[in-house]
Amino acid sequence: EVQVVESGGGLLQPGGSLRLSCAASGFTVSTTSMTWVRQAPGKGLECVSIIHSSYATYYADSVRGRFIISRDNSKNSIFLQMNSLRDEDTAVYYCARDYGGLLDYWGQGTLVTVSS
Amino acid sequence: EIVMTQSPATLSVSPGERATLSCRASQSVSSNLAWYQQKVGQAPRLLIYGASTRATGIPARFSGSGSGTEFTLTISSLQSEDFAVYYCQQSENWPRTFGQGTKVEIK
Repeated sequence: EVQVVESGGGLLQPGGSLRLSCAASGFTVSTTSMTWVRQAPGKGLECVSIIHSSYATYYADSVRGRFIISRDNSKNSIFLQMNSLRDEDTAVYYCARDYGGLLDYWGQGTLVTVSS
Repeated sequence: EIVMTQSPATLSVSPGERATLSCRASQSVSSNLAWYQQKVGQAPRLLIYGASTRATGIPARFSGSGSGTEFTLTISSLQSEDFAVYYCQQSENWPRTFGQGTKVEIK
């Protein structure tokens, strides 16, 4: 059974840092692309970052230079290191398998709240 | 960045009726278009990919059409479990972008 589980969310102040984790089972993250998608409260969906099987990475303009996506093949997991957090980064962060652009398996999400 | 625009923002439909949702891209995305359903408190679920192919386990009442810049999601006969928010998403290039969503509510 394919499963994706995020963890690491929490409440923190502006300027702080947080590392999100995404553990996959039922497939191998190193053979596919993985995407982080976020959803601010009551808002729509935004693709934040992607890591391809080749280790190539891309970021949305809103997070470029502040967020870093990475992968640990031994843990079959991906991570999102979030630095210099802002109020507008408050959102539920989802991890999803990106199968040629299709986000076919999603986690349940982890909530990140940035507030003073 | 490709901008995706969905209409209407809210669609009020009675159970058993047909619902038609629209999605427009600011430039051609060929058939690299997917639809997702999101219920309150849940993650989105993939419904349609390649503009018209149903994902595994998606009922036949859901159908997608279109190519280039104009796309449609049709739900032929709404069931109670179909009331949700629907998003289109392009995968023509990065960043992958979503429409703002169409909420399908009970009339």
